[in-house]
Amino acid sequence: KAGVTQTPRYLIKTRGQQVTLSCSPISGHRSVSWYQQTPGQGLQFLFEYFSETQRNKGNFPGRFSGRQFSNSRSEMNVSTLELGDSALYLCASSLVGQEETQYFGPGTRLLVL
Amino acid sequence: AQSVTQPDIHITVSEGASLELRCNYSYGATPYLFWYVQSPGQGLQLLLKYFSGDTLVQGIKGFEAEFKRSQSSFNLRKPSVHWSDAAEYFCAVGLNTGGFKTIFGAGTRLFVKA
Repeated sequence: KAGVTQTPRYLIKTRGQQVTLSCSPISGHRSVSWYQQTPGQGLQFLFEYFSETQRNKGNFPGRFSGRQFSNSRSEMNVSTLELGDSALYLCASSLVGQEETQYFGPGTRLLVL
Repeated sequence: AQSVTQPDIHITVSEGASLELRCNYSYGATPYLFWYVQSPGQGLQLLLKYFSGDTLVQGIKGFEAEFKRSQSSFNLRKPSVHWSDAAEYFCAVGLNTGGFKTIFGAGTRLFVKA
């Protein structure tokens, strides 16, 4: 089975732009979570989606949003990028009823200039 | 508020020596507890998890962890470290609140001396 895939793997944007990151979960996994990893703040939970609905959200400003499609693929969007948004964005997927067992993708490294 | 503390930012261990990485958590009840490993440029890999049952949990790659409720601790151990174990290790708490959320510690970077 293929693992969690994230595209693109690397991205450079400038301040004020917006960005969309994509995550394809493992086949059969319907729960998708997103995390931001920075040297200063560490790993922080962004949001979790299940059946196209956001079930849980972390403490991030409204510039961070996400969605999930009927095939469980998920995207996250960051609008009006700031330098501090430079980070590794990790996506994880899990099976229904086993949400505690998360499988992580390799991440998308975003650099904001 | 829930929190996870890893008191050691980095640890250096000689190859073949034993390892213990410390983790303390703060939460009202016993949450899910995890240890993850992250190698440079990689995503996170689950080493082991605990929710209930035997307080000594065996994981992959020869790692184990012990849950101590009285100390709110979940320390990770390995009897003999290999050079390939050099990586960053994250302790985490999982909370099921109508949706699942994982809170991570700051991580401990492990260096292995030859």
